[in-house]
Amino acid sequence: DTEVTQTPKHLVMGMTNKKSLKCEQHMGHRAMYWYKQKAKKPPELMFVYSYEKLSINESVPSRFSPECPNSSLLNLHLHALQPEDSALYLCASSQEGSENIQYFGAGTRLSVL
Amino acid sequence: QKEVEQDPGPLSVPEGAIVSLNCTYSNSAFQYFMWYRQYSRKGPELLMYTYSSGNKEDGRFTAQVDKSSKYISLFIRDSQPSDSATYLCASVNAGNMLTFGGGTRLMVKP
Repeated sequence: DTEVTQTPKHLVMGMTNKKSLKCEQHMGHRAMYWYKQKAKKPPELMFVYSYEKLSINESVPSRFSPECPNSSLLNLHLHALQPEDSALYLCASSQEGSENIQYFGAGTRLSVL
Repeated sequence: QKEVEQDPGPLSVPEGAIVSLNCTYSNSAFQYFMWYRQYSRKGPELLMYTYSSGNKEDGRFTAQVDKSSKYISLFIRDSQPSDSATYLCASVNAGNMLTFGGGTRLMVKP
């Protein structure tokens, strides 16, 4: 089973709203990732968690706040987003020692109005 | 210069054709090479990965890496309409992070 589950599938929010994206995997992977993907572009790395600790933040604005409550869960808290933040947000995970082999979820399609 | 370059397409072929998808890369330190398939409005699905140079076959798919020319290929035999998707090549940089090509959109027409 190589399943990474993301909820919700779609999200529409206003610029003053606060919302959260959720990601879950039960493969025992110890690294989890958030990516942002705009239309017709490849995924862009946002954050990396390794053993539940934030190890990489690719200069992402503070209106995006990641959280890793435990080794199976990854959240992305959203606040005061801009319309240009509308994109597909992807979660991925990888096994210890095989960080290059990442498995992606189906993504949350976010629209900011 | 991007570290991984890929022709965006679209590439349109008739059903049953052999498809060749290609990438070039610039970083000699790259060792692992991946191909992801992404259907519209879905997440990328890992198709195949190879280590260093050589070929790897899985059913109708063959991944090929030529490190001497820094060239990565994915061949699809007997292509089907269900193969219509965007194909992303990727490699791993020194920080163990994926570096994606821009993706090639493939359309297989019945």
